[in-house]
Amino acid sequence: DQQVKQNSPSLSVQEGRISILNCDYTNSMFDYFLWYKKYPAEGPTFLISISSIKDKNEDGRFTVFLNKSAKHLSLHIVPSQPGDSAVYFCAALLPMRFGAGTRLTVKP
Amino acid sequence: EAGVTQFPSHSVIEKGQTVTLRCDPISGHDNLYWYRRVMGKEIKFLLHFVKESKQDESGMPNNRFLAERTGGTYSTLKVQPAELEDSGVYFCASSQGPAGVVTDTQYFGPGTRLTVL
Repeated sequence: DQQVKQNSPSLSVQEGRISILNCDYTNSMFDYFLWYKKYPAEGPTFLISISSIKDKNEDGRFTVFLNKSAKHLSLHIVPSQPGDSAVYFCAALLPMRFGAGTRLTVKP
Repeated sequence: EAGVTQFPSHSVIEKGQTVTLRCDPISGHDNLYWYRRVMGKEIKFLLHFVKESKQDESGMPNNRFLAERTGGTYSTLKVQPAELEDSGVYFCASSQGPAGVVTDTQYFGPGTRLTVL
């Protein structure tokens, strides 16, 4: 069963605008969440994480929001840059369970 | 510092054959994980080594898959005999540990693309 879901397979935004990637989970036992970024022919690379005791974590242009009651988290990228174009995976622990990924395209 | 490496990068085999994938973790990382991504779907956990011991192999699909990590360094994942549904990208990841600490960041290798014809 898929405990972590990313319902949008793709997202396209204009450079400079905000990108919002969404993720839902079903297992209330998850207590740590991560976002990974993946370029073609490369493995996923860690981007940002959030503990279940927080509702927001910010790192530069990237902010992750967690809504535990809704079992929902989102990744905001502001401002979006063409180099952000990649597949973004949401993941939850333990053990690591990934969503199917969302392909973000940032247009110049 | 070298990252996680995987070999081969791509393998094409026929149904019924055997394939062995190799993963070299980051030096000093006790934790080693195997994952698989099939047909653009989610990345699925297969198993987790702590040093040479299997900590969690709950994600292994069936007994055609055998993972080893002799000496606690590199790991191999053997598929024997391979079936069509085994096709996908196999990722390896490593982390420093300690095991079970959620903040322990996993570093992924580039993956091995396995195609079973």
